[in-house]
Amino acid sequence: QVQLVQSGAEVRKPGASVNVSCKSSGYIFTDYGFTWVRQAPGQGLEWMGWISPYSGHTNYAQNFRDRVTMTTDTSTSRAYMELRNLRSDDTAIYYCARVVGNYNVLTGYYDRARFDPWGQGTLVSVSS
Amino acid sequence: DIVLTQSPLSLPVTPGEPASISCRSSQSLMHGNGYNYLDWYLQKPGQSPQLLIYMGSNRASGVPDRFSSSGSGTDFTLKISRVEAEDVGVYYCMQVLQIPITFGQGTRLEIK
Repeated sequence: QVQLVQSGAEVRKPGASVNVSCKSSGYIFTDYGFTWVRQAPGQGLEWMGWISPYSGHTNYAQNFRDRVTMTTDTSTSRAYMELRNLRSDDTAIYYCARVVGNYNVLTGYYDRARFDPWGQGTLVSVSS
Repeated sequence: DIVLTQSPLSLPVTPGEPASISCRSSQSLMHGNGYNYLDWYLQKPGQSPQLLIYMGSNRASGVPDRFSSSGSGTDFTLKISRVEAEDVGVYYCMQVLQIPITFGQGTRLEIK
């Protein structure tokens, strides 16, 4: 079955970087996108961006554009999300999810998108 | 950015009774192709979110038929015909019409 398994919890100091991985299985890796969504403690969901493993094209939310890099590795069927210059308010659970939709190579947009399934989440704690 | 406003934020329900959650959008989510670009997710306690409904009214694979969604444009409603204990958690609507993708603030369903 389709499954996304994320890397383990991380602890970082302010100003550091973190790299979270998401290993996929059960489907053709390049046929679907990856998105990253985070959830601060007790809070709602915040979309960070998405990436097409087919083209490598990314689309980041404005809030993260200067600090985040999303990549994929076709050889290992993994997606990665690097967040730099961490602050205490970056403390959150970070989820990867598969993007199901119609990918437009020209615009990098997934039309009729839905996120299914989701990884189990990775807790990133930022504290001095 | 498109703002989604859910109500109520907390919803206590007796098992076997129906439940409704509203999601209102600051802009129409109706695409030119006639589809509404709205999905619904459920985050059960201690779990990751899971897809319930996509493109306005389509149940995801494995989702019980007691879940349904209606509405168009800016007003949407998720309905549970008969709430069961396993339905507890936080329900989120999400729009996929425009970047950035945005979520509603969530509605917590609890069993009375």
